[in-house]
Amino acid sequence: EVQLVESGGGLVQPGRSLRLSCITSGFTFGDHAMSWFRQAPGKGLEWLSFIRSNPYGGTTEYAASVKGRFTISRDDSKRLAYLQMNSLKIEDTAVYFCARGAAHSSGWFDYWGQGTLVTVSS
Amino acid sequence: DIQMTQSPSSVSASVGDRVTITCRASQPISTWLAWYQQKPGKAPKLLIYGASNLQTGVPSRFSGSGSGTDFTLTISSLQAEDFATYYCQHANSFPFTFGPGTKVDIK
Repeated sequence: EVQLVESGGGLVQPGRSLRLSCITSGFTFGDHAMSWFRQAPGKGLEWLSFIRSNPYGGTTEYAASVKGRFTISRDDSKRLAYLQMNSLKIEDTAVYFCARGAAHSSGWFDYWGQGTLVTVSS
Repeated sequence: DIQMTQSPSSVSASVGDRVTITCRASQPISTWLAWYQQKPGKAPKLLIYGASNLQTGVPSRFSGSGSGTDFTLTISSLQAEDFATYYCQHANSFPFTFGPGTKVDIK
């Protein structure tokens, strides 16, 4: 069974950092792109970042709203994806989801974690 | 960036009704479109990819069509478990963007 579980969310002050982890199981992690999304309270879905599988270069993409502040990475040996979030702002408050790309460089996402809440507040 | 719009923003329907949701892209995206269903407090679920391909395990009452800029998601006979919010997402180029969502609720 494919599973994704996010961890690392919590309450953080503006300007501070947080690292989210996406723990995966049940599939060949190295064969899939991974991505992070978020959903602010009562709002819609926002794509944040994307990392291709290593056979496809392991290259990354970012939304303008987080480029330069957030960094996506992956550790295929541990089946983990990460989102390092720096210089957090109040408007970064949201539930953060990781999701599996349907293939190495796919733009659709067939399995999602349950989400982890990040609250940025002083 | 490609902007996605959806209509209607909400629809009230009854079990058994046919429901159609429209998604429009601000520029042509071929068939690089996905549809997701999201229930409150839950993660999104992929329904349709490539504009018209049914994701494994999704009931056949869901269908998608369209190409270029105009797309539709149709639920042929609404079931109780289908009351949710539906989002389209383009995958034509980065950044990926979602439509604002269509909430399907009980009439």
